[in-house]
Amino acid sequence: AQSVTQPDIHITVSEGASLELRCNYSYGATPYLFWYVQSPGQGLQLLLKYFSGDTLVQGIKGFEAEFKRSQSSFNLRKPSVHWSDAAEYFCAVGASGGSYIPTFGRGTSLIVHP
Amino acid sequence: EPEVTQTPSHQVTQMGQEVILRCVPISNHLYFYWYRQILGQKVEFLVSFYNNEISEKSEIFDDQFSVERPDGSNFTLKIRSTKLEDSAMYFCASSPEVVYQETQYFGPGTRLLVL
Repeated sequence: AQSVTQPDIHITVSEGASLELRCNYSYGATPYLFWYVQSPGQGLQLLLKYFSGDTLVQGIKGFEAEFKRSQSSFNLRKPSVHWSDAAEYFCAVGASGGSYIPTFGRGTSLIVHP
Repeated sequence: EPEVTQTPSHQVTQMGQEVILRCVPISNHLYFYWYRQILGQKVEFLVSFYNNEISEKSEIFDDQFSVERPDGSNFTLKIRSTKLEDSAMYFCASSPEVVYQETQYFGPGTRLLVL
């Protein structure tokens, strides 16, 4: 079965600084990978997803993520963080050969200092 | 933009009581899901629903849980006799199709507290 690890529970950055949120997955075949964001009082919103092809994926709100098979990682990046990016970020992995239900990580809480 | 809605946003109940969590999926979507997140833990899949029946469920979704689409718009999760460990945030989601390329759209969640 697939699994996801988000090693950072909290990340604090200053507004305007760059951001990288880590995500490592475990799955035997090519995974489907997702990043979701949850702002306070809101539902989970899909930022970006990877199924195949270019390993650098562009998403909404200026985010991108890079799939690195050799490292089993799918880290989320943003070159310049805005205060409105403060939220909970979830990485998820789906099994390409089985259930379509994604398995989520426990989330990383992003705190943005002015 | 269409969105998934959930009611109530918060619910407090006594252990052993029944609760019903309500969701209104996006209107043209066909697949519906419930997830939960216990505080500080991962978002966990509970159940998926299509064509008026459960299509997949997790080990968490035992006989205390049930889902229903009572009309053309609502999708409900019922917990028959709540336990303390049912305290969690419950998310509803919907999607037009069931393939991976199709995004699941999530609601804002219902925070359930069982006392």
